[in-house]
Amino acid sequence: DGGITQSPKYLFRKEGQNVTLSCEQNLNHDAMYWYRQDPGQGLRLIYYSQIVNDFQKGDIAEGYSVSREKKESFPLTVTSAQKNPTAFYLCASSKWTGNTGELFFGEGSRLTVL
Amino acid sequence: AQSVTQLDSQVPVFEEAPVELRCNYSSSVSVYLFWYVQYPNQGLQLLLKYLSGSTLVKGINGFEAEFNKSQTSFHLRKPSVHISDTAEYFCAVSEKGSNYKLTFGKGTLLTVNP
Repeated sequence: DGGITQSPKYLFRKEGQNVTLSCEQNLNHDAMYWYRQDPGQGLRLIYYSQIVNDFQKGDIAEGYSVSREKKESFPLTVTSAQKNPTAFYLCASSKWTGNTGELFFGEGSRLTVL
Repeated sequence: AQSVTQLDSQVPVFEEAPVELRCNYSSSVSVYLFWYVQYPNQGLQLLLKYLSGSTLVKGINGFEAEFNKSQTSFHLRKPSVHISDTAEYFCAVSEKGSNYKLTFGKGTLLTVNP
């Protein structure tokens, strides 16, 4: 079945370590997104990518980095510069042509920094 | 810029009771509207969407929503809830022509009690 796969589902890291979260989609969608979710704050956009080898900062990009070398893949690195990295991270994708804004989500990755 | 306000952060109800989750949006242009549901430690799943046409939209799991342009609202309703409807619900809006930006409300936690 088509969908979005995020891994790992749970991740524990020490302060000061970089962490990379994986996101793969087989929906043949052009656009991919990373959101951060904190309790009571809804979803906040970190980065998004419309096409391969191109990406744009969202509302809270500081301390994060991404790459888009393949259409199917959009990994997110949480760097040591991110001051409060413990959160639930959601990857999403959408069509680009005729885009209405509808997003398809992965199951999420929960990062806990000890 | 568009914004979304979910008027209730938590809504407790008893099983088989009706429920309404309220959502208001702000935008200077025409919009697309969405409701997503999130079960604990999972990604978001689309419940329903309004793109155009009939203002009453039916979704999965017996939910429906009504688009009211004059009141800039998109409230979600279900006539009789089940324990399994316990989840967090997010309203989201995108502006026509904005090509990517889906703005989310902060979410409403629906708790269905026996």
